[in-house]
Amino acid sequence: AQTVTQSQPEMSVQEAETVTLSCTYDTSESNYYLFWYKQPPSRQMILVIRQEAYKQQNATENRFSVNFQKAAKSFSLKISDSQLGDTAMYFCAFIFDQGAQKLVFGQGTRLTINP
Amino acid sequence: DAGITQSPRHKVTETGTPVTLRCHQTENHRYMYWYRQDPGHGLRLIHYSYGVKDTDKGEVSDGYSVSRSKTEDFLLTLESATSSQTSVYFCAIRVQGYNEQFFGPGTRLTVL
Repeated sequence: AQTVTQSQPEMSVQEAETVTLSCTYDTSESNYYLFWYKQPPSRQMILVIRQEAYKQQNATENRFSVNFQKAAKSFSLKISDSQLGDTAMYFCAFIFDQGAQKLVFGQGTRLTINP
Repeated sequence: DAGITQSPRHKVTETGTPVTLRCHQTENHRYMYWYRQDPGHGLRLIHYSYGVKDTDKGEVSDGYSVSRSKTEDFLLTLESATSSQTSVYFCAIRVQGYNEQFFGPGTRLTVL
């Protein structure tokens, strides 16, 4: 079975600090996609960043970057210069079954940015 | 905004009653999905559709059925709601040519 594990239920940092959220996954697939979604208190699911497994280069989107370690099946999210608006639940997700592309989510990490 | 709406946004119902949630999209995307979100579990796939009248089960499909009679609407039905189906339900679409899924605003369902 495909699984995604986020081992940090909650994290808290000060504004402007850098924070890293951890994610590990288990799959026998060789080609897949990984995502980080953000869910603020509004409940909306927002795609933050994506990574193709066949790409060695780590994805970056402004202050958000990933550290993708394929052999270790690790996919962490780094948020630089954190802002109050980054306060949210963050979900790591994995797509398997390339046809239907069913997302498998981790349990989530609740991130709080303190002023 | 991927043009996805869900209705109702909130619903309280009683055990044993039927409930139908609606997902509507405006852009004719082929793939649509229903997920439920529960604390400690993230989001889990209930059912998905890959075209009109083409649907398949996900990880937690027991107690749920779906229908898609036209491209823009994907309905999720709880034939006889139970308290274990109290959850937040999200609809998602997959944009053609991309691998991302985009989510609707969610429906909070409470079964008393």
